[in-house]
Amino acid sequence: NAGVMQNPRHLVRRRGQEARLRCSPMKGHSHVYWYRQLPEEGLKFMVYLQKENIIDESGMPKERFSAEFPKEGPSILRIQQVVRGDSAAYFCASSPIQTGITYEQYFGPGTRLTVT
Amino acid sequence: EDKVVQSPLSLVVHEGDTVTLNCSYEVTNFRSLLWYKQEKKAPTFLFMLTSSGIEKKSGRLSSILDKKELFSILNITATQTGDSAIYLCAFTGTASKLTFGTGTRLQVTL
Repeated sequence: NAGVMQNPRHLVRRRGQEARLRCSPMKGHSHVYWYRQLPEEGLKFMVYLQKENIIDESGMPKERFSAEFPKEGPSILRIQQVVRGDSAAYFCASSPIQTGITYEQYFGPGTRLTVT
Repeated sequence: EDKVVQSPLSLVVHEGDTVTLNCSYEVTNFRSLLWYKQEKKAPTFLFMLTSSGIEKKSGRLSSILDKKELFSILNITATQTGDSAIYLCAFTGTASKLTFGTGTRLQVTL
């Protein structure tokens, strides 16, 4: 059973370019979460999605960042017009959560974004 | 505001020692507390705790939750160099998202 998959593992972008990060959840999981880890800081929640729905985007910066989880294909975190402050590790996690029950989240290997 | 505080921030021990890592939290509508181990990659799930006083064990690692005093501890006995990592504590409340502490950096030396 493959774990959470993320690609690319490393991404270098120049200031002003767009970054697209992809996440495929574990088999059987239909809930995806994105977290960001800035250098020397803890993991911070960004967004929680189910297929075709954004459930909670309270941690997303209001500009330049967007996320989707289409009916077919991976979840995508998109960062437009990247700036140096976007350099971080972006982790995706998935869970088979059901209403009223909490499940642990399993993390992917992360995408390390470097903005030059 | 919901928050998690972990202590100590960092710790250096000798192989074979026993360590206790602490996690205290303040959250409305608590659901669960989770422990993760992070080396130079993705956080790896260790434990999820939802009930007070019930110890969870996995090999040399164990954890327990106190919902009255709002804290959890992670114990590692007979530490090995492979235990060197950052140990993260997180909780879920009404929302499903995880709120993480800044972690405890553990280094196990020979």
